Amino acid sequence: AQTVTQSQPEMSVQEAETVTLSCTYDTSESDYYLFWYKQPPSRQMILVIRQEAYKQQNATENRFSVNFQKAAKSFSLKISDSQLGDAAMYFCAYRSLEYGNKLVFGAGTILRVKS
Amino acid sequence: NAGVTQTPKFRILKIGQSMTLQCTQDMNHNYMYWYRQDPGMGLKLIYYSVGAGITDKGEVPNGYNVSRSTTEDFPLRLELAAPSQTSVYFCATRQGYSNQPQHFGDGTRLSIL
Repeated sequence: AQTVTQSQPEMSVQEAETVTLSCTYDTSESDYYLFWYKQPPSRQMILVIRQEAYKQQNATENRFSVNFQKAAKSFSLKISDSQLGDAAMYFCAYRSLEYGNKLVFGAGTILRVKS
Repeated sequence: NAGVTQTPKFRILKIGQSMTLQCTQDMNHNYMYWYRQDPGMGLKLIYYSVGAGITDKGEVPNGYNVSRSTTEDFPLRLELAAPSQTSVYFCATRQGYSNQPQHFGDGTRLSIL
């Protein structure tokens, strides 16, 4: 079974600075998808960014980018020019191509943004 | 543009009571999922469905049941509620193409006392 590990329970960043959230995963599959979700205090689950494992190019979405290292099974999220609205819990998630395409989530990282 | 609608948003149950958490979607997505999120933790899959009439167990199915009689609805049933089922429950849907992300409802906070 696949597992996802987020080793940083909590991170802090100064407004306008850059922060990187770590994620590693374990799988024997060669093809899969990886996601970062943001969960603000409102409890909504908001998709931040996704990466297809077969793509070597790292995904970017405005201030959010990933560093995908397939051989190392690492999928970190970089947030540039941090804003107060970025404060939330961030979850890394793995999705296999097996029947059901289920998501496996990490335990999450709380990101605090200081003004 | 409702998306994924979960009801109720909050509920308090007594030990041993039963209830059904409702999930309805208007996006015509084939895949639907139920997750639970315990305090300070990630989401764990309870049950999922790949289409009307087809359901399957996830990681933590004990104490729950589901049905999928229509594409739109995927209710989650708790029988004999226990304190260990105190959690936030999320329903999610996904289109049938594998590169599409899951869309989540706003969650139901359930407390068993």
